[in-house]
This record gives sequence, structure tokens and C-alpha cells, in this order.
Amino acid sequence: DQQVKQNSPSLSVQEGRISILNCDYTNSMFDYFLWYKKYPAEGPTFLISISSIKDKNEDGRFTVFLNKSAKHLSLHIVPSQPGDSAVYFCAASPYSGGGADGLTFGKGTHLIIQP
Amino acid sequence: DTGVSQNPRHKITKRGQNVTFRCDPISEHNRLYWYRQTLGQGPEFLTYFQNEAQLEKSRLLSDRFSAERPKGSFSTLEIQRTEQGDSAMYLCASSLDSSGNTIYFGEGSWLTVV
Repeated sequence: DQQVKQNSPSLSVQEGRISILNCDYTNSMFDYFLWYKKYPAEGPTFLISISSIKDKNEDGRFTVFLNKSAKHLSLHIVPSQPGDSAVYFCAASPYSGGGADGLTFGKGTHLIIQP
Repeated sequence: DTGVSQNPRHKITKRGQNVTFRCDPISEHNRLYWYRQTLGQGPEFLTYFQNEAQLEKSRLLSDRFSAERPKGSFSTLEIQRTEQGDSAMYLCASSLDSSGNTIYFGEGSWLTVV
């Protein structure tokens, strides 16, 4: 049973436009959500996070939105740049401190930025 | 670069053999984690250490798997009697505290069981 779902295996976006990556979860105990970015042959790199007490967190070109009632979060990247091409993983934790011991990952979305 | 270091980066082994992976975390990081990632999936939590104590183990970690962190610094993950289903990337990560946004992953160790 997949508790964190990223239903789009891949997404293609034109450079300069907005990229929107979606993530749904089923476990209502999840309290902290994170996005990781992964290039080939590298480990995942932390990108941005959000606590369940918030509905939005912004860091430069990256914004994460959380709709707790819908159990849905999204990552917005604007404007999209070629270097953003990577696999993006959504992850969730039942611990408000975001303890990595309890991270559950989605399957990832491969974002491709077209020039 | 003093990031998380894993070796070997790639390992091909015959079914039934034992393999061991090593992880050197970022210096002074007291938490160390092992995850496994198979093709088309996200990383799956295996186990973690707070210093030398192994505090949590996933049900994915069968009795053929054992992890140690004897001095609270580097860690080893051993898989005994490997099976083809063990073929995956084994990721190590470390952090200073329990907050997920300070976790740093290594580049992973690819295991292929033939």
C-alpha cells in the first residue's frame, strides 16, 4: 500500500514556464513533508519542506503548497531552468520535527525542462 | 568535499554470496540512516542509528541484513546469502539532528545479484 503517491512519472515543461509537481498521501499521521531532488548517479538532495501547520512555504524559485484536507501537496518551480531537470521525490514523516527515521518517499517525478 | 561517502559504488555478486557496504557520514553527524532504492521506486527506509545505537529497523530488513555502527562513526551494511531481489541501490545518509531538512545522502552503492 503506497502511502505517498506521485502519479506523474514524468513531466515536460518549457524553460521559463512554471513547473508544478504533485504529491498525494493517504496516512493522516503524516505531519511534515519534504521534497528532494535527484540527479543521475547522485544521492537525493533536500530542496524544501513544509510542516502541517502551514499551507505554504517559499524558498526562492521553489514554493510548496499543502492542502491537508485533500491530503495533497505540490511543488511549484518558477521560472523553470534547464538545471532543474532531475527526478523529484516527495517524502512525508509522522514526526513534527521531520525526523528522517520515519521518511516515506513517493516514486518520483522526472522533470524535463525543454529549452 | 566532506560529504557522505559510500563504497563500493558498484558491486556485482553471485546469488548466495555475502556483501558488505560501508558508509562514512559527515563528520560529527550523530544520526546515520540506510535506505534502499529499486528502479522506478523512491528510497525505502531500512534502519537508523543515533550514535552507535540502532534505534529503528524497518520490516524490510530481513534477518539476512545486518547493520552496525560500532564506534558511532562509520557504518556497515551486510547482506548475507544474497538473492536477486536484493539488487538495488543502497543509500546512506546522515544528519546532525532529527530534522529531515538536514539529512544529507551519499551517492549510493549499487548492488547487482546475478
